[in-house]
This record gives sequence, structure tokens and C-alpha cells, in this order.
Amino acid sequence: EIVLTQSPTTMTASPGEKVTITCRASSSVSYMHWYQQKPGASPKPWIYETSKLASGVPDRFSGSGSGTSYSLTINNMEAEDAATYYCQQWNYPSTFGAGTKLELK
Amino acid sequence: QVQLQQSGAELAKPGSSVKISCKASGYTFTSYYISWIKQTTGQGLEYIGYINTGSGGTNYNEKFKGKATLTVDKSSSTAFMQLSSLTPDDSAVYYCARIRGTLDYWGQGVMVTVSS
Repeated sequence: EIVLTQSPTTMTASPGEKVTITCRASSSVSYMHWYQQKPGASPKPWIYETSKLASGVPDRFSGSGSGTSYSLTINNMEAEDAATYYCQQWNYPSTFGAGTKLELK
Repeated sequence: QVQLQQSGAELAKPGSSVKISCKASGYTFTSYYISWIKQTTGQGLEYIGYINTGSGGTNYNEKFKGKATLTVDKSSSTAFMQLSSLTPDDSAVYYCARIRGTLDYWGQGVMVTVSS
């Protein structure tokens, strides 16, 4: 099983700040997918196939990476971006990272 | 619009089984697989498996073999997951989600509580 390690586990960011969340895989994967979850809600697709923004996702978000190292970046943090972000890969069995809780400072 | 509507919360006794449903609408049900995901505070998100909604073929995470059984009813565009021999460790929120490369639509989740 491929283990996905996200860092940091928790972070705070001020409005306008640049935020980077990383996801490291224990073995190489072809793509990484990212989801956003807010309290009491289901996860939402956020970035798919490493760098493609899901429908409705603001273009201040971006994704990059390859092999075992992937990242989600927010340029100019906004209040609505406060949430937990999870990475996910599809090699059998599919696995998720433990999540990064992003809070507004 | 695409929707996945899941059944309501379940309170079950240890050793019993529950069957939760996921009714799809707004798209051709058999065109996309449905995946099931478990979420707990301690373990985060765990992939249970997926079902081919056209053929009924399944793929399970080894960890959930014998615990979860995935089925579909094409006539009602509904996917089901039965959880058996329940223990307190099965208490969680269970989501269904459509697979389209990524998990592009999610149900609202079903909270299953296992308690005597």
C-alpha cells in the first residue's frame, strides 16, 4: 500500500499569503488528486490529475509534482480557503493522505 | 444536475449488519463506477472499494474484504454497501462517490454508529 504523507498537518495563513501543502508518496504514482473538506460537509474534488482545477475552483489554486512528491499551492490566501485538504492516489489500493488543516490567521 | 443521495444514519448493535444506499441521479448511472469511502476522526479517509455499475464487478481494498459487500440495482440507479459483523471500529461516516478519473461527486455521507 502506498502511504501518502501530507505536511504540514495544520497551518495558519493570513489573507494574501502564499500557502503550499505537500504530499509525499511512499512509491511513485502517476497522478495526485486533491480534495477540500469543510466541517460537516462531504469532500469536494479540488485538483485532479496533479494540476487540473476542478469546476468552480478559483485560479489562485494550483497543483504540481511528479513521482513521489506533489504539492497544492494557494496564491493569495482568502478566508474561504480555510478547510482541510486531502491528497489521494489510485494505485491499488487507493489511499488518502491524513489531511492538512488550513486555518485563517 | 448530478446527485448522489445516501440513506439515513444507522445505529446498530455489535455483530449485526447494516446496508446503506446511494441513489444516483442526473447522469447515466451505468457510465461511471461508484466508490465507497470511510471517514473517521482517527483514521481519516479510507478507500473501501468500488463497483462497476454496469457489470456489478467489484474491487475491494484488502482491509475491507469480508467486511463490506458492494452491490448495485441498475433499475433504480442505486448502489449499496452492506457492512457485516459490526464492531465499534466500524463506527464512521461512509461516503459513496462517483469515479470519473477523480472522485467527482460525493454523497452527503451516512453516519453509522455501532453501540450496544
